Amino acid sequence: AQSVTQLGSHVSVSEGALVLLRCNYSSSVPPYLFWYVQYPNQGLQLLLKYTSAATLVKGINGFEAEFKKSETSFHLTKPSAHMSDAAEYFCAVRATSGSRLTFGEGTQLTVNP
Amino acid sequence: GAVVSQHPSWVICKSGTSVKIECRSLDFQATTMFWYRQFPKQSLMLMATSNEGSKATYEQGVEKDKFLINHASLTLSTLTVTSAHPEDSSFYICSARDRPGGSYEQYFGPGTRLTVT
Repeated sequence: AQSVTQLGSHVSVSEGALVLLRCNYSSSVPPYLFWYVQYPNQGLQLLLKYTSAATLVKGINGFEAEFKKSETSFHLTKPSAHMSDAAEYFCAVRATSGSRLTFGEGTQLTVNP
Repeated sequence: GAVVSQHPSWVICKSGTSVKIECRSLDFQATTMFWYRQFPKQSLMLMATSNEGSKATYEQGVEKDKFLINHASLTLSTLTVTSAHPEDSSFYICSARDRPGGSYEQYFGPGTRLTVT
């Protein structure tokens, strides 16, 4: 079975500061890993995904994530936070290309001016 | 990019009535669609998985007679909440997956806010 744990249900940063959202996964097979963003009253938008190619994955809006097998982690980062980055972020794992997604509990990112 | 739409985006209904929510894949064919429920400040909870032309597979604890799912075509799935009660008030999100041979990517709809009074 696959699972993800997002450390920190709330993260607060200042505008221009580094954003680091943590995600650790558990999987019996090499996983597919995803980060999604959700703005209030909206669906999920894919930020980036890892599918066993490059371990450093670049996504939209300046976000990137690094797959570290030794640490079973897939943390999301952005060098400089923008006010528009304030949203809920979900890490998700999928065991195979055809299996279902399993979501983490989410991290609410607040960006302070 | 692939687009999934939901209709309506929000609905208010009275207790005891039924509500139908539509999920459409606009520019791709979706063999499989997923229905999620999300309570405030919580993650997405998978309710059921539906494959075109067959019965939906419900997750444990989800009442199949209350949450009727129909996936009649490769671009449309519907969720009907029957005899709705206030505790059914929630944010419902559908997701459509590209067909085999495609990317297997899951694309999410914008969600439907259901309020039962």
